[in-house]
Amino acid sequence: AQSVTQLDSQVPVFEEAPVELRCNYSSSVSVYLFWYVQYPNQGLQLLLKYLSGSTLVESINGFEAEFNKSQTSFHLRKPSVHISDTAEYFCAVSVAGGSNYKLTFGKGTLLTVNP
Amino acid sequence: EAGVVQSPRYKIIEKKQPVAFWCNPISGHNTLYWYLQNLGQGPELLIRYENEEAVDDSQLPKDRFSAERLKGVDSTLKIQPAELGDSAVYLCASSSPGGGNTGELFFGEGSRLTVL
Repeated sequence: AQSVTQLDSQVPVFEEAPVELRCNYSSSVSVYLFWYVQYPNQGLQLLLKYLSGSTLVESINGFEAEFNKSQTSFHLRKPSVHISDTAEYFCAVSVAGGSNYKLTFGKGTLLTVNP
Repeated sequence: EAGVVQSPRYKIIEKKQPVAFWCNPISGHNTLYWYLQNLGQGPELLIRYENEEAVDDSQLPKDRFSAERLKGVDSTLKIQPAELGDSAVYLCASSSPGGGNTGELFFGEGSRLTVL
């Protein structure tokens, strides 16, 4: 079975500061990795994903995450955050190439960007 | 394109009462999921449908929970009778053919249940 640990439940930062949201996973098989974001009063949205290839993946709004197999991590980073990035961020994992379509989510990290 | 629609957004009931949640997935999405999100936790899969067939219901507490997806489109999740511990957000998601295998799920806004 797979599991995900998000090390920080809340991360407060000031606008334009850099941020890193940490995610570690556990699995005995190869995995796909995801970050989902939930803005206030909205549903979860896929932010970015790692399936294969380059270990550095990027989103359209400036976030990036790097798959580190040796560290079993998939940390999310942004060099300069905006107020609009305030949201809850969920790291998730699934079995690579599997057919069960099952996502295992972490508990989430609430990112609060202050002016 | 319309997203995943869920109703009601909020529901308050007393324990032992029944409750039902409805979900309309994105048009063309054959896979539908119901997730449970407890306060301070990440979503956990309750049931997954491929068209009208429940292909993974291993996490659904079948003594009080039931779900259906008639005609392979809309779905209903029911709890009868509700218990205090069922207070949570019930999320519906859908994915296109192949999209679910690569984690591309589209979620609704959720139905928040409070059991008193």
